[in-house]
Amino acid sequence: GAGVSQTPSNKVTEKGKYVELRCDPISGHTALYWYRQSLGQGPEFLIYFQGTGAADDSGLPNDRFFAVRPEGSVSTLKIQRTERGDSAVYLCASSLVTGETQYFGPGTRLLVL
Amino acid sequence: AQSVSQHNHHVILSEAASLELGCNYSYGGTVNLFWYVQYPGQHLQLLLKYFSGDPLVKGIKGFEAEFIKSKFSFNLRKPSVQWSDTAEYFCAVTRGSGGYQKVTFGIGTKLQVIP
Repeated sequence: GAGVSQTPSNKVTEKGKYVELRCDPISGHTALYWYRQSLGQGPEFLIYFQGTGAADDSGLPNDRFFAVRPEGSVSTLKIQRTERGDSAVYLCASSLVTGETQYFGPGTRLLVL
Repeated sequence: AQSVSQHNHHVILSEAASLELGCNYSYGGTVNLFWYVQYPGQHLQLLLKYFSGDPLVKGIKGFEAEFIKSKFSFNLRKPSVQWSDTAEYFCAVTRGSGGYQKVTFGIGTKLQVIP
């Protein structure tokens, strides 16, 4: 596709449920990043993939958060036992190679009730 | 840890006014600097970036930013704003040692341009 796509665009769930957020990067981009943007804040780094491997997951807030990129393209961010504090916009970005400009998707707005 | 400060959280200007948004970062080494913009209902887009060379960087839509190493600053400027510049602007920084570096964003500045 022409840009980074993310699905769903909005997700409403109940506290304690499990959610999956999908990111489809720009074709050919080897680096993929997940960020979380809370209301009134800038994007906060969560995890970075180079190819299939998570090269830096130091931004994941706790072990309820996990992400995969099994074939080096699409990535899924998984959140277990969601909490109200997880409510935010989850952004995905990709870059052609590591260190180059990141291109962002539209985000998934997650609301945990 | 590096941090980014954007001092103006909400700016209101009339059309044709000049714009300057402040950005300061805390890391003392080599840095790469970015300004991203998010128009209402749209996703984050790169406005301009500085990796090396001329510290005065020209971006899209008439924006420019100046890297002043001694002040740890990368302020965004535009001589004459338009209503269509209404958006949220984010300054971001990575360490400039090559390869992967985590991007740290500022809190953002909401710009409202009044026709």
